[in-house]
Amino acid sequence: SAVISQKPSRDICQRGTSLTIQCQVDSQVTMMFWYRQQPGQSLTLIATANQGSEATYESGFVIDKFPISRPNLTFSTLTVSNMSPEDSSIYLCSVKGLAGGIRTDTQYFGPGTRLTVL
Amino acid sequence: TQLLEQSPQFLSIQEGENLTVYCNSSSVFSSLQWYRQEPGEGPVLLVTVVTGGEVKKLKRLTFQFGDARKDSSLHITAAQPGDTGLYLCAGSAMNRDDKIIFGKGTRLHILP
Repeated sequence: SAVISQKPSRDICQRGTSLTIQCQVDSQVTMMFWYRQQPGQSLTLIATANQGSEATYESGFVIDKFPISRPNLTFSTLTVSNMSPEDSSIYLCSVKGLAGGIRTDTQYFGPGTRLTVL
Repeated sequence: TQLLEQSPQFLSIQEGENLTVYCNSSSVFSSLQWYRQEPGEGPVLLVTVVTGGEVKKLKRLTFQFGDARKDSSLHITAAQPGDTGLYLCAGSAMNRDDKIIFGKGTRLHILP
């Protein structure tokens, strides 16, 4: 399995500002994803982070609001732009498949970033 | 749209009791994972089941994948307060899509 770290672990932000969340993996992985988990809810996929190209967004999520970067096989960022209180949530990075390894369906998750927007 | 229905959504039982959580779908999955999530942390993988009819045991937890690969169950024997948490099932679709979908979760609370 891969060890995933996220920064920051939590933040409190003002309405209208932006926050960039970093996800670092200790080994090269083929796929990286970003999820949102609103209070008391399950996980909702925001997008798949693609190395060297634009992320693939799920219905209801757009690049202008959630720009994503993935410059290499171990790192990705998610920015939450022009925040509103409705963006208060836990944002989770997830990875699947060790690069060069056997294909696996199992996904692993980072510890999450707890965002509160005032 | 593929859906995973989990039941029950909430469960509060006394320490020492047994319980079963269910995860059902009308779709077939190539594999299914169970995660446990504690407050303030990300989901932690408990098990992956791949073969129809497969049963896996993790100490007091028993996981089963349905024969048709459309459903799964998690059975906990002699529940302990440390089992408290949010249990999530997640399925990998049979198509070329690499995404997994999550159930809504079962929030389990074990009373000492």
